[in-house]
Amino acid sequence: GQNIDQPTEMTATEGAIVQINCTYQTSGFNGLFWYQQHAGEAPTFLSYNVLDGLEEKGRFSSFLSRSKGYSYLLLKELQMKDSASYLCVARDSNYQLIWGAGTKLIIKP
Amino acid sequence: IAGITQAPTSQILAAGRRMTLRCTQDMRHNAMYWYRQDLGLGLRLIHYSNTAGTTGKGEVPDGYSVSRANTDDFPLTLASAVPSQTSVYFCASSGGGDTDTQYFGPGTRLTVL
Repeated sequence: GQNIDQPTEMTATEGAIVQINCTYQTSGFNGLFWYQQHAGEAPTFLSYNVLDGLEEKGRFSSFLSRSKGYSYLLLKELQMKDSASYLCVARDSNYQLIWGAGTKLIIKP
Repeated sequence: IAGITQAPTSQILAAGRRMTLRCTQDMRHNAMYWYRQDLGLGLRLIHYSNTAGTTGKGEVPDGYSVSRANTDDFPLTLASAVPSQTSVYFCASSGGGDTDTQYFGPGTRLTVL
């Protein structure tokens, strides 16, 4: 079957760095997305990886290893507004999206 | 309007009643989607439409129907609501391209009693 594994919850300190890991199993692979979802709001797009390596976008970076079925989202210089759920999403060979349940990130001052 | 709108924002519904959730986008995206989000689970696709006039079933289509009469609108209908359909419903759209990123509406919180 197809599935996404990511931690349910993580806690980090304001100003610090946190890495949210994701492993995926899909029928073929056509890219990996990360979305941010604040409580009570809609998911919003953060990043997209289709090739191995690191994609950097400001304070956020996303890494992909296709051979390991692994990705991570790295958040630097954490701010209180980064408290949210982070959703790992893999796209299979049929361009169907497989959504992870999300990692709830709690930022403490 | 800009982006995707959904209505209503929230609704409490008696079991057995019929309900239509509305979704409208102004980005001229070809593809539209309906998801439900339940605590502890990833988003689950209910129905989708790749272009106006066509629809397809997602992972959890039973009890739901959709139509796509034009590019902008993609309503979701619960013919006879049941308590297990209590959820948050998100509509999304995508415009194609390499990433085909999906953009989401604000959601409808539905409670079926």
